[in-house]
Amino acid sequence: RKEVEQDPGPFNVPEGATVAFNCTYSNSASQSFFWYRQDCRKEPKLLMSVYSSGNEDGRFTAQLNRASQYISLLIRDSKLSDSATYLCVVKLNTGNQFYFGTGTSLTVIP
Amino acid sequence: GAGVSQSPSNKVTEKGKDVELRCDPISGHTALYWYRQSLGQGLEFLIYFQGNSAPDKSGLPSDRFSAERTGGSVSTLTIQRTQQEDSAVYLCASSLDLGTPAYEQYFGPGTRLTVT
Repeated sequence: RKEVEQDPGPFNVPEGATVAFNCTYSNSASQSFFWYRQDCRKEPKLLMSVYSSGNEDGRFTAQLNRASQYISLLIRDSKLSDSATYLCVVKLNTGNQFYFGTGTSLTVIP
Repeated sequence: GAGVSQSPSNKVTEKGKDVELRCDPISGHTALYWYRQSLGQGLEFLIYFQGNSAPDKSGLPSDRFSAERTGGSVSTLTIQRTQQEDSAVYLCASSLDLGTPAYEQYFGPGTRLTVT
């Protein structure tokens, strides 16, 4: 079983729409959670960390549900520039590995 | 300031040849990771360096893969006797010392390796 699972999409949404991605993780020892963004043929870049109480950064809101072992990313008022692949990343409280999901593809349509 | 740099950006090699990929992490970052990403796949962890500690090599797929980090800074990933399945983008990332919560990883632009 993969450590991190994501719906690969693609999600095609019109500008201005709200879109949500979920990601599940298998290991209850997971401690640190992140969303990274990866543009086509580019390197991943941190979008936001995910905190236990949930956190918001502008149009982006991240939530963590430890009981159900999933994290979510909500994007409000989608922009064309939000088109990218969104990677869910988890780190356990032991060891050195960060576990990356395969990503969810988002295309925002004019 | 300067980000993580990698060289070469692209490498085409014949099956059976050895290749060396280089990573220059952000100055002051003690943690360094190598990943590879195949088309349509997630990032696969290869190896991790932290300061002067022994590296975590648990992700290396075979003994053809090795990596070094000299002086706690520059790292090289070596693939011996390359195979076609080694074709992928090899990404290097660095971060500050791991803490709780873990620090952000900064990625280099990657080396696109094609084995013909």
